[in-house]
Amino acid sequence: GAVVSQHPSWVICKSGTSVKIECRSLDFQATTMFWYRQFPKQSLMLMATSNEGSKATYEQGVEKDKFLINHASLTLSTLTVTSAHPEDSSFYICSAETGVTTEAFFGQGTRLTVV
Amino acid sequence: GENVEQHPSTLSVQEGDSAVIKCTYSDSASNYFPWYKQELGKRPQLIIDIRSNVGEKKDQRIAVTLNKTAKHFSLHITETQPEDSAVYFCAASIWGNTPLVFGKGTRLSVIA
Repeated sequence: GAVVSQHPSWVICKSGTSVKIECRSLDFQATTMFWYRQFPKQSLMLMATSNEGSKATYEQGVEKDKFLINHASLTLSTLTVTSAHPEDSSFYICSAETGVTTEAFFGQGTRLTVV
Repeated sequence: GENVEQHPSTLSVQEGDSAVIKCTYSDSASNYFPWYKQELGKRPQLIIDIRSNVGEKKDQRIAVTLNKTAKHFSLHITETQPEDSAVYFCAASIWGNTPLVFGKGTRLSVIA
């Protein structure tokens, strides 16, 4: 199957700093990638849809100025959590579809802890 | 937008018994219904999926049924094993058009 690689797998940062998470499709081109957030013992909640070469589409309640998404190429999307606070601590995970099969391929996820 | 409800939230079964998890969806246009297994701290793993043009799909011990009229779909795991213990999520989407919307998850515990 297709491979989506996400880095870092975990990160600890100080409150007020920014953290960048990368999501790469390794063996296919992804015009669209999705970013989800998962709090402990909860489901995956869609944060935004990342479109190559255009602005991301954010879900209601997600601050676009806080969660910056850049999809500069067909194989890379990045999520930057700016001015992180402890309440942003969560599991962030990206996914992409090849457009050939119905399956969505997920990155490994990033465990963000803000202290 | 789509809303997916999943029940039960927790499920305990004896090893060898069957487990059934049910989901309902709201958007009649949804046509793709995957099921994921997620272990702690890991990415969701697709275990089976079904498209709206079929009513049932089976893969060894795992099966999914879909009732488009009632807008619900179910996951059936037979002959459960301890390694089946995990959190299971259902999801729905209009394939190629909308992102996956997930249910809240079911924590399955298989007791040896």
